[in-house]
Amino acid sequence: DIQMTQSPASLSASLGETVSIECLASEGISNSLAWYQQKPGKSPQLLIYGASSLQDGVPSRFSGSGSGTQYSLKISGMQPEDEGVYYCQQGYKYPLTFGSGTKLEIK
Amino acid sequence: QVQLKESGPGLVQPSETLSLTCTVSGFSLTSYSVSWVRQPSGKGPEWMGRMWYDGDTAYNSALKSRLSISRDTSKNQVFLKMNSLQTDDTGTYYCTRDDGFAYWGQGTLVTVSS
Repeated sequence: DIQMTQSPASLSASLGETVSIECLASEGISNSLAWYQQKPGKSPQLLIYGASSLQDGVPSRFSGSGSGTQYSLKISGMQPEDEGVYYCQQGYKYPLTFGSGTKLEIK
Repeated sequence: QVQLKESGPGLVQPSETLSLTCTVSGFSLTSYSVSWVRQPSGKGPEWMGRMWYDGDTAYNSALKSRLSISRDTSKNQVFLKMNSLQTDDTGTYYCTRDDGFAYWGQGTLVTVSS
């Protein structure tokens, strides 16, 4: 199975701050990488697919980048509604696998 | 609009079988695939398996021996059955439309306990 390692496990950011979350795949996944945001008691919400494509309706302050085994999610200008847990997920090979999550809080 | 809704028992006895239903609306099961994903409390999601639009299935090898996914296209429903449940199968179970997991159900909490 492809292991997805996220870092950091948690972080706090001030309003307006730029935040980055990293995801490392145990093998190359050819940009088959998605990012999700999850709030307490809610389903995951798709933010980014194909490593860098913004899902419809997602604010443009969210962006994704990377290639090969290393990927990142950037939030340019932290907003209160961005608090939550963020997960990466690879869709390159079965079984599809998720990272263990990054908890993002307001400082 | 696209909707998915999971239903099933909230409590299952250890060693018994879990049966869940995902009822969809706003799209056809013959055009889109649906996956089941589960999530233990406080942990990352785990992909369980997929019902392809053409009726084929794919399973997580870690669960394959216990898991079965089927569907009834006339009722717009996808079914999950998993046997020999243990306490570490406790968690929230979701169905999601499998075009990049853009649409999810609200999830249903399953507790495995005697």
